[in-house]
Amino acid sequence: DSGVTQTPKHLITATGQRVTLRCSPRSGDLSVYWYQQSLDQGLQFLIQYYNGEERAKGNILERFSAQQFPDLHSELNLSSLELGDSALYFCASSPGKHTEAFFGQGTRLTVV
Amino acid sequence: AQKITQTQPGMFVQEKEAVTLDCTYDTSDQSYGLFWYKQPSSGEMIFLIYQGSYDEQNATEGRYSLNFQKARKSANLVISASQLGDSAMYFCAMRERTGANSKLTFGKGITLSVRP
Repeated sequence: DSGVTQTPKHLITATGQRVTLRCSPRSGDLSVYWYQQSLDQGLQFLIQYYNGEERAKGNILERFSAQQFPDLHSELNLSSLELGDSALYFCASSPGKHTEAFFGQGTRLTVV
Repeated sequence: AQKITQTQPGMFVQEKEAVTLDCTYDTSDQSYGLFWYKQPSSGEMIFLIYQGSYDEQNATEGRYSLNFQKARKSANLVISASQLGDSAMYFCAMRERTGANSKLTFGKGITLSVRP
């Protein structure tokens, strides 16, 4: 158990809908990262937050947004969902900005 | 340009034997970190080992060791005494710093199957 908690574990939703994925980092970890894993794209970095502030942005679509709250948990919001958004979404946390990251178990999103 | 290259499509190893999983990387940074993660069929990503670019000795964590060859830009993972539970997908990743920020870039992964 990495100590990173993601909810829900599975999510099935229809095209055009909006969903929110939640991540609770390991106790004391200030950095939260979001990744998308799909069969064709592999593991893609989406976004990083450090102590509530956005620190780095990767291949995150405009339809997606994220935030990190004062209690350090983070949410990834996906809107106007398309079939191609079906993927495994991972959250990872680390103590600092530049240290190793521990991953949650992921949320498997299926868009139908 | 691809930053992390894992070209082995699939690897097979006999139980109790050692296996090497290859990883090459590309960066112009002097300070960077290299990671290996394991992803079993259940889907979670498990951190295995870390090597910093300035570390003089190869990292080791139990049965895992990282064969770091900086001049060749390679960071191969060596698993000794393979176990059936080692069957999984293995990802090599690199952390680069861009100012105050950093992100992990992953390779496409290698599938390892351990035969009894």
